[in-house]
Amino acid sequence: KAGVTQTPRYLIKTRGQQVTLSCSPISGHRSVSWYQQTPGQGLQFLFEYFSETQRNKGNFPGRFSGRQFSNSRSEMNVSTLELGDSALYLCASSLDSTRSNEKLFFGSGTQLSVL
Amino acid sequence: QQQVKQSPQSLIVQKGGISIINCAYENTAFDYFPWYQQFPGKGPALLIAIRPDVSEKKEGRFTISFNKSAKQFSLHIMDSQPGDSATYFCAAKAAGNKLTFGGGTRVLVKP
Repeated sequence: KAGVTQTPRYLIKTRGQQVTLSCSPISGHRSVSWYQQTPGQGLQFLFEYFSETQRNKGNFPGRFSGRQFSNSRSEMNVSTLELGDSALYLCASSLDSTRSNEKLFFGSGTQLSVL
Repeated sequence: QQQVKQSPQSLIVQKGGISIINCAYENTAFDYFPWYQQFPGKGPALLIAIRPDVSEKKEGRFTISFNKSAKQFSLHIMDSQPGDSATYFCAAKAAGNKLTFGGGTRVLVKP
């Protein structure tokens, strides 16, 4: 079974631009979560989608948005990029999210550099 | 507000030694505590996890100890190997998939 696939692997953008990142979850998984990883702030939760609906949202500005499609694939978008948005963006999938002990499986991430 | 505090930030251990990483949490709504291992260029991978109704869980060379009253839990890596050199993150969550991570511990196992 293929793991969580994130594309692209690397991205370089300039301030003010927007970017879209893609995530394909493990087959059969219906929940997709996004996390931002930086050296200074560590791993921080962005949002979670289940059956095309946002279930939970972290403490990030509205420039960060996401969506989920009927096949459970998800995209996240960052508009008006800032230098501080440079980070590794990780996607995680799970079967569901109603149980606290649901296992999350992470992709290798998209490394975004904002110049 | 950092709800999960992890220490130390880094540690060096000799091959065959024991690595110990500690975490403390504040939110009593957390009821699932996983540990993740991350290698450079890769995403975090689930290593082992525990529920608060269990005081200890062992899987191979990895053991979690959990102290509910102190709101602390720790990871012990026994017989550490060079291949264990990685960054380890503790985490906590309640229902839903919002993981709150500790700051991470970079472990280096010297041969």
